[in-house]
Amino acid sequence: GENVEQHPSTLSVQEGDSAVIKCTYSDSASNYFPWYKQELGKRPQLIIDIRSNVGEKKDQRIAVTLNKTAKHFSLHITETQPEDSAVYFCAASTDTGFQKLVFGTGTRLLVSP
Amino acid sequence: SAVISQKPSRDICQRGTSLTIQCQVDSQVTMMFWYRQQPGQSLTLIATANQGSEATYESGFVIDKFPISRPNLTFSTLTVSNLSPEDSSIYLCSVDTGGYYGYTFGSGTRLTVV
Repeated sequence: GENVEQHPSTLSVQEGDSAVIKCTYSDSASNYFPWYKQELGKRPQLIIDIRSNVGEKKDQRIAVTLNKTAKHFSLHITETQPEDSAVYFCAASTDTGFQKLVFGTGTRLLVSP
Repeated sequence: SAVISQKPSRDICQRGTSLTIQCQVDSQVTMMFWYRQQPGQSLTLIATANQGSEATYESGFVIDKFPISRPNLTFSTLTVSNLSPEDSSIYLCSVDTGGYYGYTFGSGTRLTVV
């Protein structure tokens, strides 16, 4: 089955810096890659996702890149703000609606003012 | 996106008892997913619940311990049986709302077993 690895486990940056979180997956059939943000005591919230027919997707300060050949995808956050501090999870799925999400181990991002 | 109501939000249970968690979705969905999130850890899928058929369990999870019901397309329950302290976790249900919103999660149930 699918296995998703995520690095780093913790990431500390100064406000205004960029943050990059990387994930690799094992199942070449995976074609949907979402990223979730989970604040303390709250449910995971989808922040951006990408499908295998796209190499990059951007939404304001957040972008995701996908390299299907290497089977890895990354989350990029620019101009970080203290409110970006949270745990971020990547995930992979072979399809939406009928297949499960397999999550990475999570990255705790701390943005210091 | 779909709205999921999950309850209870938290509970403290005695060893050997059971807890049933409910999830209600405001729209019909084919699949509902149940996840466990142990303290400080990632989300692990317990099972996938499809209306009208038995749930599909992931490796390491069995029906006797985590029985699931899915009586219709908007509702599901997860029971955690014969509780032990190792079952202390957050349990979340999830559905795929499709399109822009992707998978949506319930607010979670924080279970503490004493």
